[in-house]
Amino acid sequence: DAGVIQSPRHEVTEMGQEVTLRCKPISGHNSLFWYRQTMMRGLELLIYFNNNVPIDDSGMPEDRFSAKMPNASFSTLKIQPSEPRDSAVYFCASSSDRKMNTEAFFGQGTRLTVV
Amino acid sequence: AQKVTQAQTEISVVEKEDVTLDCVYETRDTTYYLFWYKQPPSGELVFLIRRNSFDEQNEISGRYSWNFQKSTSSFNFTITASQVVDSAVYFCALNDYKLSFGAGTTVTVRA
Repeated sequence: DAGVIQSPRHEVTEMGQEVTLRCKPISGHNSLFWYRQTMMRGLELLIYFNNNVPIDDSGMPEDRFSAKMPNASFSTLKIQPSEPRDSAVYFCASSSDRKMNTEAFFGQGTRLTVV
Repeated sequence: AQKVTQAQTEISVVEKEDVTLDCVYETRDTTYYLFWYKQPPSGELVFLIRRNSFDEQNEISGRYSWNFQKSTSSFNFTITASQVVDSAVYFCALNDYKLSFGAGTTVTVRA
């Protein structure tokens, strides 16, 4: 398996533009997570899905952020409109158990820069 | 409230020294899981070890070992005979109902 695949790897956009980050989890995994990593706040869980259903989105910073998982093999994280403070590395991770007694496997991350 | 605390921000050692990373966690659940992840300079997050709340047996895996003490809510991690390639940020993580990470400890191993 190729692991968790994220695209794009790097994104530079202007303030106010819409940004869409994409994630393909490992085949067979039924839990998917979006994290944001910044120097100031470390690794923050934004949202997680189980069997394509959002279970906890309490980490989503504000209404500008939205996430979807239309099927078991694809998820998106959208920021509209983007702001400079959204600049961070966004990680997608997947695991094979909702209670996560198995480890989560992370993608390579998307480095987002909003100018 | 911080659920996972890694008090050490940075640790610098000379190659072949042992490195112990501290982790203290907080949860009300009786069933939970603890993890250590490594983030090398290339940026990816790599799973290292896992421990569940019912198993306090400490283990060794190659140069890695861990000390889980439920009574003190600690899950410390040791790298024995460190190597330059061990230089990375190490994260402790707790999963009670969602996976929460500590702030990370930057380990620098000098040749």
